Amino acid sequence: GIQVEQSPPDLILQEGANSTLRCNFSDSVNNLQWFHQNPWGQLINLFYIPSGTKQNGRLSATTVATERYSLLYISSSQTTDSGVYFCAVRSGSYQLTFGKGTKLSVIP
Amino acid sequence: GAVVSQHPSWVICKSGTSVKIECRSLDFQATTMFWYRQFPKQSLMLMATSNEGSKATYEQGVEKDKFLINHASLTLSTLTVTSAHPEDSSFYICSASESASLVDEQYFGPGTRLTVT
Repeated sequence: GIQVEQSPPDLILQEGANSTLRCNFSDSVNNLQWFHQNPWGQLINLFYIPSGTKQNGRLSATTVATERYSLLYISSSQTTDSGVYFCAVRSGSYQLTFGKGTKLSVIP
Repeated sequence: GAVVSQHPSWVICKSGTSVKIECRSLDFQATTMFWYRQFPKQSLMLMATSNEGSKATYEQGVEKDKFLINHASLTLSTLTVTSAHPEDSSFYICSASESASLVDEQYFGPGTRLTVT
């Protein structure tokens, strides 16, 4: 099946800093999503982005499908951005596969 | 904003019993609902996708007879873990969407923590 690698596994930021999270995948995809899970377990889906670029407030994402990676940008980070960011991909009709996540800690 | 509730928030059951988890969209009609599973301190797994009034579509490797999903109305989906065993202990999360398109946002419930003893 498709392999998904997220980096870095852990990231500590000072409030106000910017960050880039990466998701590499091993095959062509027809579905790529970014999710955020806060420290209390609540999930939010951030972007559906199998290709191209999207922006939503301080967050933006870019997927370069031909090079098999996606980037999630967080600008002016806030403590509420803390949690785990997951990338999930699907290739064809195969299972939606999640990466292991990047744990982000934003400190005041 | 759209709200999705899950009930119960946590449940402990004995091995061999069945457990039902409810997922409700409180202020919108959920054409599509998704069920996820998360093992402790691990990543997520999509279990199945359900559309109101039709059979759920299960992901590869998910036992449909073990995890029964019913999407009986536009506001309610249920996941029943049948003959639960300790390895079924997990955090189960549902999400709901107003459409069948992945472009549209999914709204997540707060999750249900299942412990099978």
